[in-house]
Amino acid sequence: QVQLMESGGGVVQPGKSLRLSCATSGFTFRNYGMHWVRQAPGKGLEWVAVIYFDGSKRYYADSVKGRFTISRDNSNNTVFLQMNSLRAEDTAVYYCAKEDMVTLDHWGQGTLVTVSS
Amino acid sequence: SYELTQPPSVSVSPGQTARITCSGDALPKKYASWFQQKSGQAPVLVIFEDNKRPSGIPERFSGSSSGTLATLTISGAQVEDEADFYCYSTDSSGNQRVFGGGTKLTVL
Repeated sequence: QVQLMESGGGVVQPGKSLRLSCATSGFTFRNYGMHWVRQAPGKGLEWVAVIYFDGSKRYYADSVKGRFTISRDNSNNTVFLQMNSLRAEDTAVYYCAKEDMVTLDHWGQGTLVTVSS
Repeated sequence: SYELTQPPSVSVSPGQTARITCSGDALPKKYASWFQQKSGQAPVLVIFEDNKRPSGIPERFSGSSSGTLATLTISGAQVEDEADFYCYSTDSSGNQRVFGGGTKLTVL
């Protein structure tokens, strides 16, 4: 079955960097776009970024553009989110999700990122 | 930036029909999806491509879309359906994805 597992979350100071990983299994990773979605404590879902199946295109939410970079390793079935210049408002649970049928059909359980001094 | 608008809350009694709406200017040309999120859990896809139901999702969940309004309908809502529901779609370019603000469904 499809599985996605995020890792790399933790507590980080404002202005610092953090790299999230999402290891996947149970599907042909190289054939699917992958997304990151976040949810601040007590708030709604916010789409963060997408990378196409072959890495040829990447798009970002305005709130993270220029600070976050999504990438993927199709040899190791893993998608990444490099987060730089972190701010308090980036504090959230970060989910990775698989794209299919113009939607997000499978999600990981999320990893918590806390930006605090 | 593109926005999808949902009512903050909807409340029904068990067995009644719950309808949650999602408004967006690009919806006439872009599909809507719906996700259910129960407290402390990851979101689960319940409707995609406006009105399709993934395997394992109960038949009481259905979706529709007309013009700039997409609607999630739960026919005969049950107490276990209580959750936050989010619509999801893209802007007119298809590049920027967006979630609605979420609707808290109460069934009691």
